[in-house]
Amino acid sequence: QKEVEQDPGPLSVPEGAIVSLNCTYSNSAFQYFMWYRQYSRKGPELLMYTYSSGNKEDGRFTAQVDKSSKYISLFIRDSQPSDSATYLCAMTPPGGFKTIFGAGTRLFVKA
Amino acid sequence: ETGVTQTPRHLVMGMTNKKSLKCEQHLGHNAMYWYKQSAKKPLELMFVYSLEERVENNSVPSRFSPECPNSSHLFLHLHTLQPEDSALYLCASSQGQDQETQYFGPGTRLLVL
Repeated sequence: QKEVEQDPGPLSVPEGAIVSLNCTYSNSAFQYFMWYRQYSRKGPELLMYTYSSGNKEDGRFTAQVDKSSKYISLFIRDSQPSDSATYLCAMTPPGGFKTIFGAGTRLFVKA
Repeated sequence: ETGVTQTPRHLVMGMTNKKSLKCEQHLGHNAMYWYKQSAKKPLELMFVYSLEERVENNSVPSRFSPECPNSSHLFLHLHTLQPEDSALYLCASSQGQDQETQYFGPGTRLLVL
């Protein structure tokens, strides 16, 4: 079993839709949860960062962590064509540099 | 220059060549990373340097050799690579173990013939 599972998509939605991206994981030691956005021919950029369980909101983006289910989500409200990218979930145990990434979900938002 | 820069952006090399990838960070960070990104596979952590000491070596073949001469520069020396080593090589930096500050460079697209 992979440590982090993420559906690669692609996911195609119309402009204005609510997008839900998800990852599951197996290591209960993970404490830090991140979502990165990666545009074509660019490096990943950190979008959201959450410590432990709970919700975090930043503009149109909401990150949720459910440690009891080992499940994290990223919601994008009022999606825009500029949101078209690959979204990577990532997580880190405490006290280490080793971040584990999901394979990424490719998102297309159609105008 | 700002953020994390990588050179070259594209590299084609034969299996007998020796080449080096360069990364430079302009963020004042003290930790630097090399990742490998292959198509449809998760980012794989290769090496981590903290305060210029290697703190992670993720079972990477010896044909990849990292070098961190100071906290701003990181190199990945390549020799006798295999075609399956073709991938996007990403450099990142952070302030210690603070994942919230991890910034990535644009990557070097490597093709091994």
